[in-house]
Amino acid sequence: DGGITQSPKYLFRKEGQNVTLSCEQNLNHDAMYWYRQDPGQGLRLIYYSQIVNDFQKGDIAEGYSVSREKKESFPLTVTSAQKNPTAFYLCATSLSGTSRKAFFGQGTRLTVV
Amino acid sequence: QKEVEQNSGPLSVPEGAIASLNCTYSDRGSQSFFWYRQYSGKSPELIMSIYSNGDKEDGRFTAQLNKASQYVSLLIRDSQPSDSATYLCAVLKAAGNKLTFGGGTRVLVKP
Repeated sequence: DGGITQSPKYLFRKEGQNVTLSCEQNLNHDAMYWYRQDPGQGLRLIYYSQIVNDFQKGDIAEGYSVSREKKESFPLTVTSAQKNPTAFYLCATSLSGTSRKAFFGQGTRLTVV
Repeated sequence: QKEVEQNSGPLSVPEGAIASLNCTYSDRGSQSFFWYRQYSGKSPELIMSIYSNGDKEDGRFTAQLNKASQYVSLLIRDSQPSDSATYLCAVLKAAGNKLTFGGGTRVLVKP
C-alpha cells in the first residue's frame, strides 16, 4: 500500500523518559513535517525536512529532536526536556515545487502517565 | 500576530445553507494555500488547494484567494451534516518551504 505510516497509534510514556515516534512513507515525497496538536487547537510545526540529512526547526522545537537519514523516514524523539508532551502528533509529507500538497499519516497519540 | 489566523467558531449553519470560512495570513511571500478538513480524533485530509488570485471550485467547495488582502476563504455550498468538522487553513511560505496552519474553524451543520 502506498502512503504514510505512523507508529504506534497510541503511546504511553513515564515522566523523564525519551520516546521515539516513527513516520515512514513510500510516496517518494521529498519534504516531511512533524506537527503537534493539542485538544481544540490547530497544528503547530515542530520540525521539517526538505531533503535527506537536512532539517529545520519549526515553531515549537524545544524538547524534540529528529533525524532524516533516509528519504522514507523521519522519526521524532520526544525528550524528557519537553515539559508537556501529551498531545496528538501528526507527520505529513509533500512533493517539492510550488504545489506542495501535504498529506498526513494517521497520527500518534502520546500520553504521559 | 499569528502567521495564519482563523475564527475558532463554532460556525453553525442549517443543512442546505452555505458555510463561509475565512483565513488571513501575515507573510506576503506566501505562494500556496490549502484547506484541510479534520474530523474529531482523525488526521487532516486535504480538500482544496489554491495558488493564484480568484476562485477555484471543486464540487460543493469553492476556495477564494486575494493575495493583496492576504486573505483566503472557503465556501461550502449545500452544507450537509457530514460536513460538520474542523476546517484548517494552511499556508506555504516560499522562503524555507515552511507549511503553517491556522487554529481551525469548527463547523456544525444542523439538520
